[in-house]
Amino acid sequence: ETGVTQTPRHLVMGMTNKKSLKCEQHLGHNAMYWYKQSAKKPLELMFVYNFKEQTENNSVPSRFSPECPNSSHLFLHLHTLQPEDSALYLCASSQASVEYGRSYEQYFGPGTRLTVT
Amino acid sequence: ELKVEQNPLFLSMQEGKNYTIYCNYSTTSDRLYWYRQDPGKSLESLFVLLSNGAVKQEGRLMASLDTKARLSTLHITAAVHDLSATYFCAVPTNYQLIWGAGTKLIIKP
Repeated sequence: ETGVTQTPRHLVMGMTNKKSLKCEQHLGHNAMYWYKQSAKKPLELMFVYNFKEQTENNSVPSRFSPECPNSSHLFLHLHTLQPEDSALYLCASSQASVEYGRSYEQYFGPGTRLTVT
Repeated sequence: ELKVEQNPLFLSMQEGKNYTIYCNYSTTSDRLYWYRQDPGKSLESLFVLLSNGAVKQEGRLMASLDTKARLSTLHITAAVHDLSATYFCAVPTNYQLIWGAGTKLIIKP
């Protein structure tokens, strides 16, 4: 495997289900990101991890729970979602930011298309 | 707070024409990134602009960066249908990139 992979590619879940999205990067990076992209909306940053530490949480509802067990893997645990959470969820990775104000080119996975029924 | 604005947000053009997409940002940055997204697909890196006056070209696309004006441009020369996509610019800040809203480009035969 090369680059950034995401599984599953498509997911349909009910509002009472619990599921997890997985992301793995094979680029030797130390920063990973979750984004949400809804139809006709800008890219929304959800979470940022630098060296496995969460550095950003952009007011994301608690029904989304990230986990970063090591610098190569990132999970997004989902529970009791709402229909408006249906979107494309993108994972990205980059070289980690060690200098204040600096961030680097991000490499994206193919995304998980999530539908909440 | 850093803000990134792209214009236009939507552009429909004929094949063979030239056009420019603009990306303005509100605070100092010495680098900027351009990405492409095809419908239903993920984002793909196009250009990394690392300094004032940087210019990068790939095929019919050319990107430039003017850090003093806080402006980047993405110029399309003699557009062809397969350049139809949404183009995003992004500016780095603390631990993240700040993204423009994207320019949806449709090129008609």
